Formats: sequence, C-alpha cells, structure tokens
Amino acid sequence: SQTIHQWPATLVQPVGSPLSLECTVEGTSNPNLYWYRQAAGRGLQLLFYSVGIGQISSEVPQNLSASRPQDRQFILSSKKLLLSDSGFYLCAWSTSNQPQHFGDGTRLSIL
Amino acid sequence: KNEVEQSPQNLTAQEGEFITINCSYSVGISALHWLQQHPGGGIVSLFMLSSGKKKHGRLIATINIQEKHSSLHITASHPRDSAVYICAGEYGGSQGNLIFGKGTKLSVKP
Repeated sequence: SQTIHQWPATLVQPVGSPLSLECTVEGTSNPNLYWYRQAAGRGLQLLFYSVGIGQISSEVPQNLSASRPQDRQFILSSKKLLLSDSGFYLCAWSTSNQPQHFGDGTRLSIL
Repeated sequence: KNEVEQSPQNLTAQEGEFITINCSYSVGISALHWLQQHPGGGIVSLFMLSSGKKKHGRLIATINIQEKHSSLHITASHPRDSAVYICAGEYGGSQGNLIFGKGTKLSVKP
C-alpha cells in the first residue's frame, strides 16, 4: 500500500539557521509531490510541486527551495530561516485524477 | 484570481445535530476536495468530486457546478467529528494544484 513519511514532526530553529525537511513516498511510482505551508491563522498554501525528478515549480516567492533527488523523495530547504517561516509544513502526493494524500506534517517554530 | 471561500469560519454544534459547511469558488475547477484536519495537524482527504454528490458514512458532499458551490454535510454529529474542515479547489490540470479555503473549525459538544 502507498504511504508517505514526513519528518521531523516538530522542529525549533533559530533565525538564520538552515532547514531541511524530508518527505518520502512508498508504494507508488512517479507521483506528483507537493509542499504546503499553513501559517498561523491562515489557510494552507501551496509552496512547491513536482511532476518528476528534478522538476520543481514554485508557487510563491520566498527564501525556501525544494528538490527532488529521487522519484519518491521531496526535500524542502532553506539556507537562512526567517521568523516568517514559522508554520506547519505538509507534504503530499498524488497520481493523476486521484485525491492527494498528506503526510503528518512538521510544525516549525523559528526563535 | 482563483479563490476558495468557506463559511462559517467557526461552528459549534450539539451532538446529534445536522451540520452544513459551505464552500464557494471563483472560477472553473477540475475537482473540489473536502479535507479534515485533526487537532494535531494531520490531514485526511474526505471527498474529491467534480459533479453531483458523494456519501461516506455520515458525511455527504455535494457540488453545484453552475453556482460554483459545494457543501459538506454531517448527519448525527458526534464529538469525534470535531476538527477543521477544509475545502480546496483543484486547478491546473494534471498537476493537481489545490487552492485551499481557510477552513471551518467544528466543535461538537456532547
């Protein structure tokens, strides 16, 4: 069966530090992969999506980046975190015309 | 600009009540999703629909394409239904990009 793993579940980082959040999917090939963020008091917002290895599309300008080094691995990164990067980050996957499946999320607090 | 609006923002109900959450979207979508977000943040997809009506247990989702409106109904509500319910419109073809409403926080009291 298909599963999605996202880690860590919670993370506290100082301003200016780097970030790496990882998401992996099992049980499916060539999925569409997504990174979302839910800032405090706001709805979910799509940050990045990928339809294949090395193919990344960004929906909003920011100091975050995403990479897809393998078919079922999606990484969200930052070189220098800002206070405004605090929030709840969700990874998701889907295949054509099917509902998205979400990871458990990472709660990121920037101090 | 693609937008998804949900109402109400907050909803408190007594156990057993019939609940309706509404969602409107601004332009044509390929599908409409209803999601449930638990207090810990985890999200579960409830429905994906592009026309008509779908039912799963006590949950019913409907969509009116002409009016660009969808509703999520919960029959015989229970405290375990307490969660945030999120409507999302799918745009962008095969990429499956979602634009989310801000969610409806439902609290069902025993």
